Amino acid sequence: DAEITQSPRHKITETGRQVTLACHQTWNHNNMFWYRQDLGHGLRLIHYSYGVQDTNKGEVSDGYSVSRSNTEDLPLTLESAASSQTSVYFCASSEGGPGEQYFGPGTRLTVT
Amino acid sequence: GENVEQHPSTLSVQEGDSAVIKCTYSDSASNYFPWYKQELGKRPQLIIDIRSNVGEKKDQRIAVTLNKTAKHFSLHITETQPEDSAVYFCASHDFNKFYFGSGTKLNVKP
Repeated sequence: DAEITQSPRHKITETGRQVTLACHQTWNHNNMFWYRQDLGHGLRLIHYSYGVQDTNKGEVSDGYSVSRSNTEDLPLTLESAASSQTSVYFCASSEGGPGEQYFGPGTRLTVT
Repeated sequence: GENVEQHPSTLSVQEGDSAVIKCTYSDSASNYFPWYKQELGKRPQLIIDIRSNVGEKKDQRIAVTLNKTAKHFSLHITETQPEDSAVYFCASHDFNKFYFGSGTKLNVKP
């Protein structure tokens, strides 16, 4: 069955370190998204991609970057982790146009 | 850009009662409105959706209504059960992006 996975599921890192969160989908979707979820803020869009070599900034992109070298993967990199980036991160994918967005299981990141 | 507002932020109902969650959006070009349920520690999962050319959609105990003129849509859950307790998110879709409301924590008391 097609699925979307994230790794690691939990991560503790120190301020200033570079961290990369992986997202892999087997739906063959062109569209992939990264969100962060914090209490009281719902899901906020960090970066998104509409296909290979395409990346775009979302509403809270500062301090994050993504790259899309193939259809299946959209890794999220925190260049220099900050305590404000402690959050739960969800990756999602969808087909083009209006339709269901599928979420990964999430990564809980703690920056100490 | 699009702005989605969701109310209430918390909702407590007695088992068997109905629950209604409301969302408004700002961009008249938005054309698809999904609702997601997120149980504690789990990923958001789609429970129902509606497209802009439809006014109402039902699936067993849940229904969604859309008023395009007023730019608002609502989730209705009837005969609530304890397993309905979760956080519910509305969203709008515009130009291949999704915009989410801030969520409603629904508590169904047995």
